[in-house]
Amino acid sequence: GAVVSQHPSRVICKSGTSVKIECRSLDFQATTMFWYRQFPKQSLMLMATSNEGSKATYEQGVEKDKFLINHASLTLSTLTVTSAHPEDSSFYICSATGTGDMSLHFGNGTRLTVT
Amino acid sequence: DAKTTQPPSMDCAEGRAANLPCNHSTISGNEYVYWYRQIHSQGPQYIIHGLKNNETNEMASLIITEDRKSSTLILPHATLRDTAVYYCIVRYPHRGSNYKLTFGKGTLLTVNP
Repeated sequence: GAVVSQHPSRVICKSGTSVKIECRSLDFQATTMFWYRQFPKQSLMLMATSNEGSKATYEQGVEKDKFLINHASLTLSTLTVTSAHPEDSSFYICSATGTGDMSLHFGNGTRLTVT
Repeated sequence: DAKTTQPPSMDCAEGRAANLPCNHSTISGNEYVYWYRQIHSQGPQYIIHGLKNNETNEMASLIITEDRKSSTLILPHATLRDTAVYYCIVRYPHRGSNYKLTFGKGTLLTVNP
């Protein structure tokens, strides 16, 4: 089946620094990628949708200047958390779908801890 | 997309069938029922989806009532590795950028030895 690889799986950074998370589709072309965030004991919350070669569409309440998303190719999307703060500590999950796909394929998530 | 209601938690004995219910009384004619699950600290995993007919794959079976107002996901022989949060999602079969999924709170299934 379709595989989505997310890297790193865990990252610890200091407050004020930036962190980049990569999401790759390994065996299909991901025309659309989605970024989710999940706080402890809560469900997944969609942050943004990105189409290859286009600007991302952010959900209400998500700061586009803080969470930079780049989807420059059909197999790679990146999420950069800029000027991270402790409240950004969360589990970030990417997902992808290809043309004609009826299901969504998820990466294994990135646990971000901001100290 | 229609709203779904699931019990917050369920228990199942290892080797027995796990039947996870989902109510979606406001589902409309063209909306599909999707099931995903999330094992602790991992990304969600697609399980199965259906429109009106019952569906079966290597992971599970999906039973949709005739009026489509509810459905049941069946794991025929639950194992300890099936312990996870199971999400029932109802949505139109959009593709591409309209494919975003909205997750509810799901059902925490605990499979006991």
